[in-house]
Amino acid sequence: DAKTTQPTSMDCAEGRAANLPCNHSTISGNEYVYWYRQIHSQGPQYIIHGLKNNETNEMASLIITEDRKSSTLILPHATLRDTAVYYCIVVSGTYKYIFGTGTRLKVLA
Amino acid sequence: DVKVTQSSRYLVKRTGEKVFLECVQDMDHENMFWYRQDPGLGLRLIYFSYDVKMKEKGDIPEGYSVSREKKERFSLILESASTNQTSMYLCASSFQTRVRDSPLHFGNGTRLTVT
Repeated sequence: DAKTTQPTSMDCAEGRAANLPCNHSTISGNEYVYWYRQIHSQGPQYIIHGLKNNETNEMASLIITEDRKSSTLILPHATLRDTAVYYCIVVSGTYKYIFGTGTRLKVLA
Repeated sequence: DVKVTQSSRYLVKRTGEKVFLECVQDMDHENMFWYRQDPGLGLRLIYFSYDVKMKEKGDIPEGYSVSREKKERFSLILESASTNQTSMYLCASSFQTRVRDSPLHFGNGTRLTVT
């Protein structure tokens, strides 16, 4: 499975867009990019996933570069409740989702 | 919504005790997983199961075993608890079909302390 690299921490002003980057330069053609977040003392929560195309749902947008070596999760209007650790992972045909240490996003009032 | 329920939020056990962590999901998922989460180490896979009575070792299976007698229930067993098994334990489930395109759904975790 491909490894991912994310910044350790980021701050974002409340109401602004939060853009969380992820590098996955060794991703292969059949591997999906997934994003999860974990709010303190809870289990990780699924946000969004994609293969090649950009994706959007009610929580976020996922932008994947054309070469698929990096992606960005966009929270369009961050709120204080979006403060969490965000994980970017890639998933192949195995059952192993390799979680790194993620990005700690702090939304500031 | 998918619900993955872990039987306990907090557990305190003594060294050498046999410990059972229970997980139940209500979405008829084929796959179930047990992870542990420790500061600075992220989530590490202990075991997973892709069908009743089927199991596969993850990255750190030593000191653990699992049981899946029914599709909705996946148990993690610490045969003889040790202090280095103090951790947050997370259960997850997913559909087996198109596994690469099937999100994991997590429970809220069991924080186990072994003294």
